[in-house]
Amino acid sequence: ETGVTQTPRHLVMGMTNKKSLKCEQHLGHNAMYWYKQSAKKPLELMFVYSLEERVENNSVPSRFSPECPNSSHLFLHLHTLQPEDSALYLCASSVRVGWGTEAFFGQGTRLTVV
Amino acid sequence: QKEVEQNSGPLSVPEGAIASLNCTYSDRGSQSFFWYRQYSGKSPELIMSIYSNGDKEDGRFTAQLNKASQYVSLLIRDSQPSDSATYLCAVNMKGADAGGTSYGKLTFGQGTILTVHP
Repeated sequence: ETGVTQTPRHLVMGMTNKKSLKCEQHLGHNAMYWYKQSAKKPLELMFVYSLEERVENNSVPSRFSPECPNSSHLFLHLHTLQPEDSALYLCASSVRVGWGTEAFFGQGTRLTVV
Repeated sequence: QKEVEQNSGPLSVPEGAIASLNCTYSDRGSQSFFWYRQYSGKSPELIMSIYSNGDKEDGRFTAQLNKASQYVSLLIRDSQPSDSATYLCAVNMKGADAGGTSYGKLTFGQGTILTVHP
């Protein structure tokens, strides 16, 4: 098993669809993250969870809804997205939310909104 | 000012040369620094971490940190075509949760595209 697994790897959805991205980590970490990576832009932190509790939401639109049922699983629920939401969505985990903690990334979900 | 700044490149070096990648950051209180490599279409992969001023070497990679200048760099010796990728600088900057407790928030630069040509 790879450390951080994301599904699906690719997703095409219409603007009226509802879909979910899934992330699972097998590293025993306590913190999980969602990042968005668009072309020509730095990785943008979307959500941070520590022990299933949301620590930070970086002013992400409500059409993105995270869920963290336990410290190993993280979901990103998507609804009524816009074409500009097309991007690579990356999940990451770290030992804890804190100074000096390295983040390990999943393979990402390439999302296209049509 | 961007929180973490990198020259986007592309940086092109011949095979066998030293590639030098640079990064500056805005938060003087940052305590940990990372370099990630990202191949096209893939996710970022951690290659180096550095926490103290000075140099840290790991194989062909050397990370250099100067907190006074708010500067971190990555040197790749004996560059290989397989090193061609985007290199992301990441800095653990100060964040705060809803209760006001501070924590380290990993913030990324835009990345530098490195091309090593034979």
